[in-house]
Amino acid sequence: QKEVEQDPGPLSVPEGAIVSLNCTYSNSAFQYFMWYRQYSRKGPELLMYTYSSGNKEDGRFTAQVDKSSKYISLFIRDSQPSDSATYLCASPKAAGNKLTFGGGTRVLVKP
Amino acid sequence: DTGVSQNPRHKITKRGQNVTFRCDPISEHNRLYWYRQTLGQGPEFLTYFQNEAQLEKSRLLSDRFSAERPKGSFSTLEIQRTEQGDSAMYLCASSFGQGENYGYTFGSGTRLTVV
Repeated sequence: QKEVEQDPGPLSVPEGAIVSLNCTYSNSAFQYFMWYRQYSRKGPELLMYTYSSGNKEDGRFTAQVDKSSKYISLFIRDSQPSDSATYLCASPKAAGNKLTFGGGTRVLVKP
Repeated sequence: DTGVSQNPRHKITKRGQNVTFRCDPISEHNRLYWYRQTLGQGPEFLTYFQNEAQLEKSRLLSDRFSAERPKGSFSTLEIQRTEQGDSAMYLCASSFGQGENYGYTFGSGTRLTVV
């Protein structure tokens, strides 16, 4: 079993819809959680970084962490075609440690 | 200094040849990481450095792979006697900070094709 799991998708939504992405993890040592966006043939780009359980909002993006369930989510409001990408969740066991990634979820936002 | 720089962007090599990739991290970042990513998968950790010290190596890093970070600045990843299974995107990242302010920044990667 991988330490961080994601549904590979693809997840196809119409423009303007809310995109809901999920990730589960198995290791209780994970404390920090990140969401990266990766366009085709590019490196991952950091979207959100959370530590505590609860919600964190940044513009159209909301990250949610539920440590009791080992479940993290990313919501994208008012989705745009430019949001079409692969979204990766990741965690280091401690700040500065190597990141463990999920397999990524491919998102397609159709105009 | 605008980000993590990786060179070359693309490399095509024949099986059995040696290849070397370079990563220039963000200058104030003391940690540097190498990852490998194959199509449809998330990045997999290979190794990381704190300054010039190599602190951890993954089991994925066979004896054909070697990484260095002389003087704690840029890093190189060398693959000797390349195999077709080495074809992948090789990503470099750097980081600095403490606690919740830790940031990991990735480069655009080097795409290796072994023919």
